[in-house]
Amino acid sequence: NAGVTQTPKFRILKIGQSMTLQCTQDMNHNYMYWYRQDPGMGLKLIYYSVGAGITDKGEVPNGYNVSRSTTEDFPLRLELAAPSQTSVYFCASSYGLDSQYFGPGTRLLVL
Amino acid sequence: QKEVEQDPGPLSVPEGAIVSLNCTYSNSAFQYFMWYRQYSRKGPELLMYTYSSGNKEDGRFTAQVDKSSKYISLFIRDSQPSDSATYLCASAAGGTSYGKLTFGQGTILTVHP
Repeated sequence: NAGVTQTPKFRILKIGQSMTLQCTQDMNHNYMYWYRQDPGMGLKLIYYSVGAGITDKGEVPNGYNVSRSTTEDFPLRLELAAPSQTSVYFCASSYGLDSQYFGPGTRLLVL
Repeated sequence: QKEVEQDPGPLSVPEGAIVSLNCTYSNSAFQYFMWYRQYSRKGPELLMYTYSSGNKEDGRFTAQVDKSSKYISLFIRDSQPSDSATYLCASAAGGTSYGKLTFGQGTILTVHP
């Protein structure tokens, strides 16, 4: 049981490039989430999903896209990377709010 | 005004001290309240979960929610060096907003031997 896995662990992007952050969970959780964490700023919800085929915007969705074609996977897409997207990205999954499990994070640097 | 406000600290205490961590929130619709612990360069882990007002105790940790004053607290008794981490409070409303967590900024705690 691997829990929530994220790839890559670290990535450097040039301004304007695109990339997909991968997230997979093996706990059969319906809920999945993407957060970003900037230094001293806590976590901000980007997108979340309540099940396959259903996604909804969080607090800071601009510049990102998601899809949820399976229960296990919840990729986050950055289309045109900007320096403001430099951050640590966490994926999480849960049955409900009392059982949210986080992945190890992806550190992204946009130059 | 941020929906969830948390004193960022940092907070430094001696081993064995009682630690009090606090948050305030402004959204009256919040019904679910969580505390997370995050070690350096790791993902957060859920520490305490509370629904509505009241206290919840788990070992050395006690979570309190006072909805009348919109105040959330986490108490750590007999603090240990292994408790050194960033502590994040989070809240969520119910209904169609269930799942949309709003986090505080996090409080950095250091417990020194």
